[in-house]
Amino acid sequence: SAVISQKPSRDICQRGTSLTIQCQVDSQVTMMFWYRQQPGQSLTLIATANQGSEATYESGFVIDKFPISRPNLTFSTLTVSNMSPEDSSIYLCSVEDNHAAGRYGYTFGSGTRLTVV
Amino acid sequence: GEDVEQSLFLSVREGDSSVINCTYTDSSSTYLYWYKQEPGAGLQLLTYIFSNMDMKQDQRLTVLLNKKDKHLSLRIADTQTGDSAIYFCAETWDNYGQNFVFGPGTRLSVLP
Repeated sequence: SAVISQKPSRDICQRGTSLTIQCQVDSQVTMMFWYRQQPGQSLTLIATANQGSEATYESGFVIDKFPISRPNLTFSTLTVSNMSPEDSSIYLCSVEDNHAAGRYGYTFGSGTRLTVV
Repeated sequence: GEDVEQSLFLSVREGDSSVINCTYTDSSSTYLYWYKQEPGAGLQLLTYIFSNMDMKQDQRLTVLLNKKDKHLSLRIADTQTGDSAIYFCAETWDNYGQNFVFGPGTRLSVLP
């Protein structure tokens, strides 16, 4: 399976500022996904990032608030812009698993726990 | 829209079996997954089942799918303290992840 390095693992930020979260994958992947997990909630997909094209955002998420970069097949960033306390969540990146040995699914980074004060 | 539901908490004694249940609304679901999230870690794929299967067994894990009732369960035999985690049920109807719907997660506590 792919190994994802996500950082920072946690941060406390002032409202109105921005934070950029990075995900580095140890293999080339076509699609990377960014999720948000709000306190006590399940995961919600923010956007899908393909290399060489603009990210595709889910309903309720916009590029101005969550700009995404995907400069190559092993790396992506998600920026949370102009933060408010409502943005306090865990943010996770994800890639499609290898299909080796019949396994199919998605590998997730360890997450970034963001607290906005 | 599509919805996936799970009970939020489950406590079992070490050595007992755990059964985590999940219901979903989308009848076109093709793949159903169980993920485990340990404290401070990312999600780990435990197992998955295709919608044309009724059961899948993988060591201590047994997945049962009742497609008619849209009910999925994960049974963990001989539950250990290391199994304490949050377990997420997820479903999708495509291969590309854009339509991945997760349940709220069930927090499994294993008591000694």
